[in-house]
Amino acid sequence: EPEVTQTPSHQVTQMGQEVILRCVPISNHLYFYWYRQILGQKVEFLVSFYNNEISEKSEIFDDQFSVERPDGSNFTLKIRSTKLEDSAMYFCASSRTRDQPQHFGDGTRLSIL
Amino acid sequence: AQSVAQPEDQVNVAEGNPLTVKCTYSVSGNPYLFWYVQYPNRGLQFLLKYITGDNLVKGSYGFEAEFNKSQTSFHLKKPSALVSDSALYFCAVRDSMDTGRRALTFGSGTRLQVQP
Repeated sequence: EPEVTQTPSHQVTQMGQEVILRCVPISNHLYFYWYRQILGQKVEFLVSFYNNEISEKSEIFDDQFSVERPDGSNFTLKIRSTKLEDSAMYFCASSRTRDQPQHFGDGTRLSIL
Repeated sequence: AQSVAQPEDQVNVAEGNPLTVKCTYSVSGNPYLFWYVQYPNRGLQFLLKYITGDNLVKGSYGFEAEFNKSQTSFHLKKPSALVSDSALYFCAVRDSMDTGRRALTFGSGTRLQVQP
């Protein structure tokens, strides 16, 4: 069964550094999402992406965050200047249509030192 | 605004017994409801969804969920629990309206512990 894959599985970065999290969504999916889960807390929506543009974003997704689909397969989340509170598990998800279930990757654990 | 409540942080059940994991929701329009399961160090795995139709929906691994509009609930159930069902379960909702938020709103999760 096709899967969403995320790399790296764990990223350790110094505060203030830029980080890029990578995702390869399922190949025939058209909608892409990023969520995060701070340790011990609920999964929170960050941003959705469709037709090469952001379709929706949460209040968490401020100017420090950006997303990109640089080619036909990758979907990236960039955090420009990381803060300690950005430490979390970041999940990428994709869905074929707006109403189909979102399929999640295994996540990238981001640790900011 | 849409929201999901999972009132139990943890549910303990003996293997072979029926299990229920509770979920209530709030949306402005009609809900699309989902259950996901998370095993340690893994992402969220889709279990089942309610979009429209029968109130009882069946999903993966023998799980089912009952949509109750009057009680705004979508409880997850399984007739006979297995030790391997032990995991973290998340209920999620989104609004069905085209103008509604398409992103999922998740509950806080319920840890299911099945004892042998």
